[in-house]
Amino acid sequence: ETGVTQSPTHLIKTRGQQVTLRCSSQSGHNTVSWYQQALGQGPQFIFQYYREEENGRGNFPPRFSGLQFPNYSSELNVNALELDDSALYLCASSLGGGMNTEAFFGQGTRLTVV
Amino acid sequence: DAKTTQPPSMDCAEGRAANLPCNHSTISGNEYVYWYRQIHSQGPQYIIHGLKNNETNEMASLIITEDRKSSTLILPHATLRDTAVYYCIVRVILTGGGNKLTFGTGTQLKVEL
Repeated sequence: ETGVTQSPTHLIKTRGQQVTLRCSSQSGHNTVSWYQQALGQGPQFIFQYYREEENGRGNFPPRFSGLQFPNYSSELNVNALELDDSALYLCASSLGGGMNTEAFFGQGTRLTVV
Repeated sequence: DAKTTQPPSMDCAEGRAANLPCNHSTISGNEYVYWYRQIHSQGPQYIIHGLKNNETNEMASLIITEDRKSSTLILPHATLRDTAVYYCIVRVILTGGGNKLTFGTGTQLKVEL
């Protein structure tokens, strides 16, 4: 149990729709990162937020966007859903944005696009 | 842009030590090596991390070679519950000041009786 919670756990969307995924970070953790994990692959970095500012982004198109709130919880928004967006979406929280701090993952949101 | 190479699968007898190798020959001087494991598509579980020195905690030991081009994760007494995909990861600094965990495809460890 990491204290990182994600909602919903599963959802099904239709191609072209928009989706919002939510992440509640571990108490006191001010850094949240989002990852996409396709079936059979390792997680791929989407972006990171530190104290409500995006401070890093992976190779994902602009239709993937995010927010971090003053309580450090976070949202991942995906517009114009495509079939290839079907994946497990993971968020990870850590204390501070440094390299020497453990990041703890939530259980993920399984998104299916049909 | 994974920076690590791991064997796709390994087997280990229960009660024996499991030694999982990883190559990260392009690692930079300020990048850390992290290990996570993932069971049945649950969220990855943190195991251990290090920069230069060997590290040990209640779960495992991490041995990093002097040139930092490879490392080994050691589970001293593997149990059936250690069956999982193990990811060796390099934590990379980003231009915006953040950092990311660069996952590869991992090693599927199967612990058997």
